[in-house]
Amino acid sequence: DTEVTQTPKHLVMGMTNKKSLKCEQHMGHRAMYWYKQKAKKPPELMFVYSYEKLSINESVPSRFSPECPNSSLLNLHLHALQPEDSALYLCASSQGTAGETQYFGPGTRLLVL
Amino acid sequence: AQSVSQHNHHVILSEAASLELGCNYSYGGTVNLFWYVQYPGQHLQLLLKYFSGDPLVKGIKGFEAEFIKSKFSFNLRKPSVQWSDTAEYFCAVNAYGTDKLIFGTGTRLQVFP
Repeated sequence: DTEVTQTPKHLVMGMTNKKSLKCEQHMGHRAMYWYKQKAKKPPELMFVYSYEKLSINESVPSRFSPECPNSSLLNLHLHALQPEDSALYLCASSQGTAGETQYFGPGTRLLVL
Repeated sequence: AQSVSQHNHHVILSEAASLELGCNYSYGGTVNLFWYVQYPGQHLQLLLKYFSGDPLVKGIKGFEAEFIKSKFSFNLRKPSVQWSDTAEYFCAVNAYGTDKLIFGTGTRLQVFP
């Protein structure tokens, strides 16, 4: 089973709202990732968690706040977003972090009004 | 810094035509190489990967890719495409031992019956 699940599938929020994106995997993977994908563009790495600790933050604005409550769950907390933050947010996981294969979830399509 | 180039931005083929999509990367060290596919409305799926060994790797759905170290290339091939291969194809590179997966800009493939 190589499934990564993400909720919600779609999210519309105002610039003053607070919302959270959720990601879950039950493959025993120890690394989890958040990517942002704009239309017709490749995914761009935002954050990497390795063994539940934040290992990479790609200079993402503080209005995005990741959280890894346990090895199976990854959250992305959103607050005071801008319209340009509208995108597909992808979660991925991998067995470890030594360049291993990443398995992607279906994404959350976010629209910020 | 690593980068990945996909020179074919949009490829249009008829069914049964042969396919070759180019991918070049810039990094002098050991790399892990991937091709991902994103079908319309679906999530990123792994087509194939190269970590080491035989530079000709076979993936799902009849795809294969050849790693040519001297050319820093990892081109994707399929001898006979089908309408169902219509999708966005992303080449991705990971410097061995690191967490960061760098994607190319993607190639949109349209196959007409």
